[in-house]
Amino acid sequence: KNEVEQSPQNLTAQEGEFITINCSYSVGISALHWLQQHPGGGIVSLFMLSSGKKKHGRLIATINIQEKHSSLHITASHPRDSAVYICAVRSGDYKLTFGKGTLLTVNP
Amino acid sequence: KAGVTQTPRYLIKTRGQQVTLSCSPISGHRSVSWYQQTPGQGLQFLFEYFSETQRNKGNFPGRFSGRQFSNSRSEMNVSTLELGDSALYLCASSLDRGVNTIYFGEGSWLTVV
Repeated sequence: KNEVEQSPQNLTAQEGEFITINCSYSVGISALHWLQQHPGGGIVSLFMLSSGKKKHGRLIATINIQEKHSSLHITASHPRDSAVYICAVRSGDYKLTFGKGTLLTVNP
Repeated sequence: KAGVTQTPRYLIKTRGQQVTLSCSPISGHRSVSWYQQTPGQGLQFLFEYFSETQRNKGNFPGRFSGRQFSNSRSEMNVSTLELGDSALYLCASSLDRGVNTIYFGEGSWLTVV
């Protein structure tokens, strides 16, 4: 079993839909990162969380430390949101462990 | 402010050769980490450098090595290349080893033939 599990693996939505991507982890962490990767390779850090909730534009990220679970929400999705979303956890020894990613496709 | 810069962006090597990849972190960032991304294994941690010292290493063979210079620039080296080393190699930098945002470079695409 992977230390970081993401669901779903693939997600197709219509423009305007509300999207949720989930991440569960099994190790103790100091922080959780949500990353976005577009075709071509470049990775952008969306959020870094150690507790609670953060919001940036149409994106919201939450984390429940007790339940070892985090969610990334996208409100009013747009085709430009199409990308791979990756959850990564930083353990106490500063190593990053990654989920397999969620491929999101938003159709116009 | 310039982002994380990786060179070269694309390269093709032959089995048995060695390769060196370079990473220039964001100015002022002292922590540099390296990752390998393949379709089968996804993103995997290679190593982390801080203050010119390797602080952590992932589960990779000794053929994978790296170093960090006094200006925080980092290089990674893979010797005796194997076909399975074909991957996207990503470098990331952050201010220090604490809980900080990480910034990724565009990556170096390595193809081993």
